[in-house]
Amino acid sequence: NAGVTQTPKFQVLKTGQSMTLQCAQDMNHNSMYWYRQDPGMGLRLIYYSASEGTTDKGEVPNGYNVSRLNKREFSLRLESAAPSQTSVYFCASSEDDRPYYEQYFGPGTRLTVT
Amino acid sequence: RKEVEQDPGPFNVPEGATVAFNCTYSNSASQSFFWYRQDCRKEPKLLMSVYSSGNEDGRFTAQLNRASQYISLLIRDSKLSDSATYLCVVIPTSGTYKYIFGTGTRLKVLA
Repeated sequence: NAGVTQTPKFQVLKTGQSMTLQCAQDMNHNSMYWYRQDPGMGLRLIYYSASEGTTDKGEVPNGYNVSRLNKREFSLRLESAAPSQTSVYFCASSEDDRPYYEQYFGPGTRLTVT
Repeated sequence: RKEVEQDPGPFNVPEGATVAFNCTYSNSASQSFFWYRQDCRKEPKLLMSVYSSGNEDGRFTAQLNRASQYISLLIRDSKLSDSATYLCVVIPTSGTYKYIFGTGTRLKVLA
């Protein structure tokens, strides 16, 4: 099992460009999440999907959109990248969104916006 | 006040030492707590859950103090391989069950 996979691993964008970060999990999990991690800020939730067909905003959703394509895949789109979106992006999944379920993280995407 | 606070460190300790970290949380109704470990430039991975009665896994012990609203992680007989950042996670009861992460405590175990 690969667990949670993310593509790409690294990306450099110019301000105003768009891109989609891909995430897939092979653990048959219902819930999936997108976080960003910035120095001194901890991980912050951007969007999550409690189950296939549902998505909801997290703490920092502005400038992002998501698509839960199917049970396995959850993508994050930046429509018009800004330097403030330079960060490390982690996708995670869990069996469901009840509090005692562990979240499994992908290896991350390092994004730089110039 | 931040919802979850951790001392960023670094805590520099010699091999074999015992080290403890605390994590304070502001929401007294929080119901679930975890410690995650994050190696440099890697993803976070679950280290252990924190139960009301405490939890021990080998050299690692996690405790919850609801009265003072903090959780702790104790590492005994530190190994070089324990060098990492330890993230505290709190799950509040209100709203949806979303993780609230601390900023992490960095541990360096020195030979």
